[in-house]
Amino acid sequence: LAKTTQPISMDSYEGQEVNITCSHNNIATNDYITWYQQFPSQGPRFIIQGYKTKVTNEVASLFIPADRKSSTLSLPRVSLSDTAVYYCLVGDIGTGSARQLTFGSGTQLTVLP
Amino acid sequence: DAGVIQSPRHEVTEMGQEVTLRCKPISGHDYLFWYRQTMMRGLELLIYFNNNVPIDDSGMPEDRFSAKMPNASFSTLKIQPSEPRDSAVYFCASSFVKEEQYFGPGTRLTVT
Repeated sequence: LAKTTQPISMDSYEGQEVNITCSHNNIATNDYITWYQQFPSQGPRFIIQGYKTKVTNEVASLFIPADRKSSTLSLPRVSLSDTAVYYCLVGDIGTGSARQLTFGSGTQLTVLP
Repeated sequence: DAGVIQSPRHEVTEMGQEVTLRCKPISGHDYLFWYRQTMMRGLELLIYFNNNVPIDDSGMPEDRFSAKMPNASFSTLKIQPSEPRDSAVYFCASSFVKEEQYFGPGTRLTVT
């Protein structure tokens, strides 16, 4: 199973770049790496997805090394509104079992003024 | 599009009662997921469907839980009989590209 491990919490200040790393040593060949953001009392929201190397969109970058055993979500110049829980999800929907697609514990990011 | 719609938003029921949670996925999405979130266990995938067919239900905790998707625009998650330990927030999500899921607002279930 591609179990994921993330830091429980991180603090940052407004305007800084934040990097959150997720370990997934047992990632399978067909697995994608996806990051979600969740605010209190809301459902998770898709941020970014990748398979290997680097992916960038308008809100974040995702760095994946060649061995794919970890990934790093990079949030440039965070603001107070980026305070949330961030989850990395590793799996292959369609062939993966429900148990394999369960989200990890997530990382509580707190952005301070 | 209105996004994923779930009803009810809040449900309070007594132990032993049947509970039915409803979900309307985003039009055109062919994957539908049911999740449960608690402080103790985090966000757990219970079951997911592709083109209305259940693909994997290995996350469903017990036989008291059942899920159906009679058509592309509607799904239900039923708990019968309900127990206090079923209290949680239940999310429905849908996707077109299989890994990019769109979540609904959730149903907060309290079983007393």
